[in-house]
Order: sequence, then C-alpha cells, then structure tokens
Amino acid sequence: RKEVEQDPGPFNVPEGATVAFNCTYSNSASQSFFWYRQDCRKEPKLLMSVYSSGNEDGRFTAQLNRASQYISLLIRDSKLSDSATYLCVVPNTGNQFYFGTGTSLTVIP
Amino acid sequence: DVKVTQSSRYLVKRTGEKVFLECVQDMDHENMFWYRQDPGLGLRLIYFSYDVKMKEKGDIPEGYSVSREKKERFSLILESASTNQTSMYLCASSLLGTPGPQHFGDGTRLSIL
Repeated sequence: RKEVEQDPGPFNVPEGATVAFNCTYSNSASQSFFWYRQDCRKEPKLLMSVYSSGNEDGRFTAQLNRASQYISLLIRDSKLSDSATYLCVVPNTGNQFYFGTGTSLTVIP
Repeated sequence: DVKVTQSSRYLVKRTGEKVFLECVQDMDHENMFWYRQDPGLGLRLIYFSYDVKMKEKGDIPEGYSVSREKKERFSLILESASTNQTSMYLCASSLLGTPGPQHFGDGTRLSIL
C-alpha cells in the first residue's frame, strides 16, 4: 500500500459547483497533513495545513478522519482560477514527506 | 515572507556535462530537499539534508550528489548528465522536528540534450 493515495481524476466541474477530493494515508501515527495546489509547470504552493480535525479558509475546507485515515479537501463555489492539481502531503517521522500523485481539477465556464 | 530561491528557471545542458543546481532559503530552516517531478510519477525525493554537511539519500539518488556547506544553501549536482535526467527539479525546505509544511522554490526545468 502506498503511503499516500489520491484519486488522480480528472475532475471536471462547472463554475459554482462544490467538489471534494479525498486522500488516504497509511501511517496512523501521522499528526499533520497538508494540501498543496500546483499549477501547470509551476511549483507546489501550500494551500492548507491540518493539525487537528480540520481547517477552513474561505471557500476551502479540509477535514481529517483519523479513524478511517483520510483527509478531504472541499472547494465550494468553484472558480475558473481553482483549476489546478491538488497534492496531498503527509510528513513521516523522519523529517521526510510523502506526496500523493495529485488530483487534477478543471473548472468549466 | 518565506522564500526559497532556485538559481535557474530553465537550463539546457549536454550529456556528460557536470550540472549544478543551486537552492537558497532565507527562513533559517534546518531541512532542505531536492525532488524531481515527471509526468505521471509525481514528486520523487532525490536527497535531503537536515543540517550543514549532513545528507541522506532519498528514493532516487543514483546519478546525483548534493552539497550543504551552509545552512541556507543546498546544491544538487548531476555528476555526468544523461538524457533521462531531463525533468523539473524542485527544492524545498522545512523546519526540523516540527510537523510543519515544506516551502518550495520555483523549480528548474532542466533539459539534457
């Protein structure tokens, strides 16, 4: 089993829609989780950090389910500018990070 | 604000050349990382360092070496570049010990001809 797994998509949604991505992780001892956004041919940029049950920032909500070992990212009222790849990242105990392969989102006018 | 700076956005080199990619961070982070990213393969860790002069192999260290002489600078070296090292290279840094996020540089798109 991979350390971090994501549905690669692609997710194609109309503007204004709500979309959710899930990310499963294998290490039950993980304490922190991160969602990054990556635009085509650019570097990953930190979108949200999750240290407890969840986090909310405007239209973006991240929720953690420790029992089932997954974190989700919910985007409400999707904008064209939300089109990107979303990476789930989980640190391990050795100062390294496990990356999901990313979920591709395209918001359609 | 957090800043990780990579020396080049685009680089073209020839096979057999020795290639240096430089990365500098201004956040006083202990950890620094080099990744490569290829379509369909995601980010793969080449090397990381948690202190000056310390280095650890990642998942794909073959053909690469690194240097960390100063805390803020982490260099990736392609000893003898090959075409299969054509890729996007990303440098990142993070604090030691705390489960905080990584911060990435802009990336270097390297082409080996």
